[in-house]
Parts: sequence; C-alpha cells; structure tokens
Amino acid sequence: EAQVTQNPRYLITVTGKKLTVTCSQNMNHEYMSWYRQDPGLGLRQIYYSMNVEVTDKGDVPEGYKVSRKEKRNFPLILESPSPNQTSLYFCASRGAGAGGELFFGEGSRLTVL
Amino acid sequence: GQNIDQPTEMTATEGAIVQINCTYQTSGFNGLFWYQQHAGEAPTFLSYNVLDGLEEKGRFSSFLSRSKGYSYLLLKELQMKDSASYLCAVRDRDDKIIFGKGTRLHILP
Repeated sequence: EAQVTQNPRYLITVTGKKLTVTCSQNMNHEYMSWYRQDPGLGLRQIYYSMNVEVTDKGDVPEGYKVSRKEKRNFPLILESPSPNQTSLYFCASRGAGAGGELFFGEGSRLTVL
Repeated sequence: GQNIDQPTEMTATEGAIVQINCTYQTSGFNGLFWYQQHAGEAPTFLSYNVLDGLEEKGRFSSFLSRSKGYSYLLLKELQMKDSASYLCAVRDRDDKIIFGKGTRLHILP
C-alpha cells in the first residue's frame, strides 16, 4: 500500500530535549516536505527536499533541521525544542506527475512543556 | 507576496449544495489543488485544476479561472461525513505548494 509513515504519532517532551520525528515513504517520490499546522494559521512549510542530499528552507525553518540521505526517508530534527514548537506536524511526499498532488503522513502531535 | 484567501467557516444543510471559494495571488501558477481534512487527520487530495474550467468528480466539482485568480469547490448532495476543513493550495512557478488557511465546513442535519 502506498503510504507516508511518520513516527511518533504523539509525543510530549520538555524544553531543550532533542527529538527526531521520522518520515518514510514507499512511493519512490523525489520530493518530500515537512509542514506544521496550527489553529488559525493553516499548513506552513518548514523544510522541503527535491531529491537526495538536496534540502531547502520553507516558510518557518527556525528551530528545525532536516536531512535527506536516502530517497525514502526525511527526518525532522528539533535540536532544542521550545514551547512554541508545540504543533501538529505533517510529512508529505509528491510524485512527478502533471498533477503532483501531495501524499500526507498521518501527522505527529508534539507538545513541548 | 503570496496569498491564498478562503472563508474561515461555512455552514450548510445535509442534502444541499455548498460552494467554497478561493482567491489567490502567487508568484506564477502551475496548478491549484483542493484537499479535505477531517479534524486531527491528514489532508487528503480531492482535485487538481491547471486549465480554466470545471472538473467534476462525483459529488465534488472544482472550477478554475486563472485570469481572475479564482477557484471554487462545489459539494453536492451534502452528507454528514462532509463535515471537515477544505484546503485550497496553489503550486507556484518555483514548484512550491502554498496552502490557504482552510475553510471549516459544518453540516447540519
């Protein structure tokens, strides 16, 4: 089954404790992206990757890192989480077709205390 | 700057028709998407328009006017399960997908 898998789905952590949210897709997509979603603000792009070893900042990259060492994986790293990073995070991948719609993971709800 | 506008909330009655509008101002245009998102879940793809006109998919249709920077999503024969947020998104000339803030649709019995 074609899917994007994120882990963990839910996490409560404390300020300053490094964490990684993993994302994996099995559709051989070149493009992958991370979004955060906050009430009243919609989906905002954090980082994206056009292909292996190619990553770029989105609209809200501060406080986040990413890496793309393999095509299928695109982890999101919070080196020193802060309460303003409490949010719902979505990983997505996109095929190369004309439409190129995004396929989203199920989301990771992160709370930073 | 890049801007996508859609109403924050709408209410409609089961069995009726509702139209959700979206206007956009972006750096170039390479297509417009509509996604459905139920509370706490991931967005799911509904439709894609790149040429002017209407695309129909069952109870859902999406319309695009590139000259006006305008699209709408039309939902017919509304069902309670259509209660969700509907996200308009535009792919700009740099291949970036920009999302509107979404329209929360409430369906009344």
